Parts: sequence; structure tokens; C-alpha cells
Amino acid sequence: GAVVSQHPSRVICKSGTSVKIECRSLDFQATTMFWYRQFPKKSLMLMATSNEGSKATYEQGVEKDKFLINHASLTLSTLTVTSAHPEDSSFYICSAREKDENIYNEQFFGPGTRLTVL
Amino acid sequence: AQSVTQLDSHVSVSEGTPVLLRCNYSSSYSPSLFWYVQHPNKGLQLLLKYTSAATLVKGINGFEAEFKKSETSFHLTKPSAHMSDAAEYFCVVSLWGFQKLVFGTGTRLLVSP
Repeated sequence: GAVVSQHPSRVICKSGTSVKIECRSLDFQATTMFWYRQFPKKSLMLMATSNEGSKATYEQGVEKDKFLINHASLTLSTLTVTSAHPEDSSFYICSAREKDENIYNEQFFGPGTRLTVL
Repeated sequence: AQSVTQLDSHVSVSEGTPVLLRCNYSSSYSPSLFWYVQHPNKGLQLLLKYTSAATLVKGINGFEAEFKKSETSFHLTKPSAHMSDAAEYFCVVSLWGFQKLVFGTGTRLLVSP
């Protein structure tokens, strides 16, 4: 199957700083990328959907000024957690769908990024 | 709105015995249903999907699931567990294929020798 990578895999930062997480589709072009947050012992919660070249669509309750998403190319999306606080500590996962109008094109998931805010 | 309920947070089986992971869904319309597996330090992997074709769906690694509309269930089964099956399993529902996925809370499968 297609491969999605995330970088970094782990990051520790101080409260008040910003952190950028990258999501790349390695062997396909991704029209749409998704960002999820996974709390301990909880399911994945969709944060936002980003389409290449346009603004991301955020789910209800997700602060768009807090979680900045950029999808500048068909292989790269970034999530920036601005002015991070300890409550932002979590496991962030991205996924990507191939460039195609078929809604049954699979989402391929990255391995996730563990963010710890001190 | 769509939702899924995974009835067991943990399931423990012995190697070689059958696996049953339970999932009930709620959807206003005909849903798409999926099972994903999450191994530590690896991305979520699609095991199988139901998209309104055959109600018995076969997936990878010997897993299968049956869509039962009357019971609003989509339970995941495997005849014989392997040690490598130990992982977190998520039942997922969607209205529009892979467009917007709604995850259950997960079931951790433990496999003992």
C-alpha cells in the first residue's frame, strides 16, 4: 500500500512555543490530507481536512488559530501547534488520500507524532 | 450523525483460538464500515471494508467481518489468533466512503502463548 510519513515522531517543547509537524505522502499524490488527534485510551478525533491549495476545514471545537494547517503541495501537509500548552500534549496522526474523485480511495495513515508540552 | 460503539476495551485470547471483536454502529443512512489495526509505532492499517456490496467481508491476515443491518453490528472475527495479531483494533464508520471517518474507542487484543 501507499506510504505516509510523519516528522518528527516525537517532540518535546516548552509551554508557549510553537511546534510544526510534517506529513508526507511518499509514493502518491494526495489531494486530501486529514489530521487526527488521539488521546490515551481514546479513539482518533478528526481535527481538520485539508485540500491541496485551499484552506483547511476544521471540525467543530477545533481552534483554527491554535492548530494551523498548510497543504502547500500534493505530497506535503503541515500542522503547527501555536503557543503550545500542556493540554495540547497528545498523539497527532495524519492521513492522506490519493488524487482521485473516487470516495472509496483509501485513507493511508502516518505513524503519528507524540507531542509533549512541558 | 454516525457513531460506532466497540463493546470491549480489551479482549484476551490464547494463540490458536478464535477472535471476536464486537462493534455496533449507528447511522441515519447506509454506512460504509471499516476495521483498522494499530500496531505500536506503525500507522493505522486497513483490515477490511464494507461498502454496501457483500455483507460478509474478507480482509487481510485471515480477518473477516459480517455486516448485519438488523442488529446494526459489524463484528470482526478470525478463526485462529496469532501472536502477531496483538494490537489495537478500531471499528470505523463513514457516510461517504473514505471521506470522513468516525472512529470507535478501540479494542486492545491480547494474545497469550
